[in-house]
Amino acid sequence: AQKITQTQPGMFVQEKEAVTLDCTYDTSDQSYGLFWYKQPSSGEMIFLIYQGSYDEQNATEGRYSLNFQKARKSANLVISASQLGDSAMYFCAMREGSYGNKLVFGAGTILRVKS
Amino acid sequence: EPEVTQTPSHQVTQMGQEVILRCVPISNHLYFYWYRQILGQKVEFLVSFYNNEISEKSEIFDDQFSVERPDGSNFTLKIRSTKLEDSAMYFCASRAPSDTQYFGPGTRLTVL
Repeated sequence: AQKITQTQPGMFVQEKEAVTLDCTYDTSDQSYGLFWYKQPSSGEMIFLIYQGSYDEQNATEGRYSLNFQKARKSANLVISASQLGDSAMYFCAMREGSYGNKLVFGAGTILRVKS
Repeated sequence: EPEVTQTPSHQVTQMGQEVILRCVPISNHLYFYWYRQILGQKVEFLVSFYNNEISEKSEIFDDQFSVERPDGSNFTLKIRSTKLEDSAMYFCASRAPSDTQYFGPGTRLTVL
């Protein structure tokens, strides 16, 4: 089974609107971390937001928030007030078990922001 | 703000040649990683390194691959005899105490 599933290969959003990128995960570990990264066309991997499995509050970083639903094993990324510069590939990733373990990535979602 | 750096940004090599990809992780980080991303595909884990030894490696990381931390700052990935299928973007990452892994800008390896 896939560890990380991103079901939306591509998404469009109008500038200034909010968009939700879906991510579901599969793990039997109690301790894990969930991450979102942005990959613009230039290729670098930019860290956006992190949610630990024991964190009770949803993580927020500026315009990014993570909608963490533990029972449903979902960790959706919400981008508010989309900007043209948000157009990129977005990857959800998970670290299982011990801190320091590897990240497992989903297939990614391409987001296009329309003006 | 400290960042992970990687050199070169692009490496072109002939099949069968050895390549060394270099990384300078963030200075107070203790865990280091190499990942790769074949064009258009997901990011795949290769190897993790902690306390001067490999802590985990993937099936991809066979005998043709090796990693080294030759001094207090550099972290290298060597591919002994490159194959066409090694063409990919290679990312180095280091882990902060917060658990976040920060990625370098990547080295695009092209094997001809």
